[in-house]
Amino acid sequence: GAVVSQHPSWVICKSGTSVKIECRSLDFQATTMFWYRQFPKQSLMLMATSNEGSKATYEQGVEKDKFLINHASLTLSTLTVTSAHPEDSSFYICSASRRRGNQPQHFGDGTRLSIL
Amino acid sequence: SQKIEQNSEALNIQEGKTATLTCNYTNYSPAYLQWYRQDPGRGPVFLLLIRENEKEKRKERLKVTFDTTLKQSLFHITASQPADSATYLCALGNNNDMRFGAGTRLTVKP
Repeated sequence: GAVVSQHPSWVICKSGTSVKIECRSLDFQATTMFWYRQFPKQSLMLMATSNEGSKATYEQGVEKDKFLINHASLTLSTLTVTSAHPEDSSFYICSASRRRGNQPQHFGDGTRLSIL
Repeated sequence: SQKIEQNSEALNIQEGKTATLTCNYTNYSPAYLQWYRQDPGRGPVFLLLIRENEKEKRKERLKVTFDTTLKQSLFHITASQPADSATYLCALGNNNDMRFGAGTRLTVKP
């Protein structure tokens, strides 16, 4: 159990395009979902935390107008990178947990975003 | 500021030996600590969670210790196998706030 599906797995697009990434918990209800960004050989950097039905909490330095997060249901969260530029190219990973608090996070397989 | 350090970027060991990975932290008092495995191009997979009031946790060939005085966790893989080769991440947290270390890339050679 605890499967998280992330789609698409990779995207290549032109600068200025907006890109939407979906994160779904397939076999459980996710009270909380997290969005991370990871650079090669570096740690996961938390971008934002979202709880179903409420606005996402963004980490310091993450532009909320640039990275739009929607957590409309207990099984789906989306991250939209608006007007993407080459510096936004990265590996984006979502995770979900069943409850708030000290819980394991279940990760999707990530989205490789390349902006030309 | 909070800092999480994993002992080395890479660790190479021989099959059958015990791999020991270290996670040290400063300026933080986590309520729990977790270990994840990450394979190239994939998302991390949860392995073990240990709480601040627990000293040790085991799961099959895995063992985790948590020393809040030393501010350190040790992650052991006994009887290591080439299939254990991956990057292992430690993560410290309080409630929903969880922070990851940079990971240690483990290679188990046959």
